[in-house]
Amino acid sequence: DAKTTQPNSMESNEEEPVHLPCNHSTISGTDYIHWYRQLPSQGPEYVIHGLTSNVNNRMASLAIAEDRKSSTLILHRATLRDAAVYYCILRDEGSNYKLTFGKGTLLTVNP
Amino acid sequence: SQTIHQWPATLVQPVGSPLSLECTVEGTSNPNLYWYRQAAGRGLQLLFYSVGIGQISSEVPQNLSASRPQDRQFILSSKKLLLSDSGFYLCAWSLVWTGNTEAFFGQGTRLTVV
Repeated sequence: DAKTTQPNSMESNEEEPVHLPCNHSTISGTDYIHWYRQLPSQGPEYVIHGLTSNVNNRMASLAIAEDRKSSTLILHRATLRDAAVYYCILRDEGSNYKLTFGKGTLLTVNP
Repeated sequence: SQTIHQWPATLVQPVGSPLSLECTVEGTSNPNLYWYRQAAGRGLQLLFYSVGIGQISSEVPQNLSASRPQDRQFILSSKKLLLSDSGFYLCAWSLVWTGNTEAFFGQGTRLTVV
């Protein structure tokens, strides 16, 4: 399975932007980069995904490096409700498109 | 719109008792279905996935089994629960066999084996 590396934890202040990094140096050309988040005691929630170009939706933006070996999830204005574990995952044909979760990044948002 | 239902929300079972967790998806057809487990303080572990009726792939050898008797129904079972089976069980689905679609998760079942 293609692997990703994320920091264990990050901290932000409310109303400020947050940039969550993810490294995926072994990514292949057909692998999609997905981000999910998990709030305490809940199932994971889809955030955003992309292949090569940067992506925006109502929740966040995804910036993908030109060589695709890294990506950054951007929360434009963090709120207390954004405190969660954020997972960066590659959906690849080699692993039958399964979602394999790593440890993720625990985001703490300070008021 | 598509919805996923998972029940029960919480369950306390004695060691050695059987288990049956059910997950159903509405509003779509032929989804890929997944069972995950999250032990306390740990990450999500993929247990089983299914691409169609009767087609089950097991990711981790364990005390559990899965079945898909209908297109949108996924069942997780055990004949005899162990203490180590405690955890947060999540069902998920995705629309097609491709990386370009998101997956949707149920609200989970918190299982405590005593």
